Amino acid sequence: GAVVSQHPSRVICKSGTSVKIECRSLDFQATTMFWYRQFPKQSLMLMATSNEGSKATYEQGVEKDKFLINHASLTLSTLTVTSAHPEDSSFYICSAVGGPETVGSPLHFGNGTRLTVT
Amino acid sequence: GESVGLHLPTLSVQEGDNSIINCAYSNSASDYFIWYKQESGKGPQFIIDIRSNMDKRQGQRVTVLLNKTVKHLSLQIAATQPGDSAVYFCAERGAAGNKLTFGGGTRVLVKP
Repeated sequence: GAVVSQHPSRVICKSGTSVKIECRSLDFQATTMFWYRQFPKQSLMLMATSNEGSKATYEQGVEKDKFLINHASLTLSTLTVTSAHPEDSSFYICSAVGGPETVGSPLHFGNGTRLTVT
Repeated sequence: GESVGLHLPTLSVQEGDNSIINCAYSNSASDYFIWYKQESGKGPQFIIDIRSNMDKRQGQRVTVLLNKTVKHLSLQIAATQPGDSAVYFCAERGAAGNKLTFGGGTRVLVKP
């Protein structure tokens, strides 16, 4: 089945630094990838939609200059949290679509990245 | 905007019993619904899906029911096992694109 890999699984960084999170589709070409953020005991909130070769589309309230998304290939999207602050500490999850199933098939999710900003 | 919500935040169930998790959605244009299971520290795992032209779909030990009249979705887990303990999310997709909107989640606790 379709597999999405996320790296790193955990990262701790100091306030003011930047952190890059990678999302890879391992056995299919992902035309679209999605980035979600999940705070403890809450649901997943979509941050942005990333299409290969074009600019990401951000959800309302998400700062595009703070959360930089790059989808340079059909198997890799990256999310960079710039000038991170403690309030950015969260669980970041990516998902990808474009697998072997037909269009509209369920999204496949990575296992998330736990970001802690100290 | 569209929203998907759940009635029960926590469901405690005896091992072997059936579980029912409910979800309400507000976007009548949604055409596709998915149930996900999320274990602690992991990403959501696909359980079962249903398209809006159906009202019931069965998988292995799971059944999803869709009532478009009242915009209600449910997940039934038969013979609940300890490994079913997790948070369950429903998600709905609007008529355009693959963007999903997630419900608030229900934690299922299976008692041995």
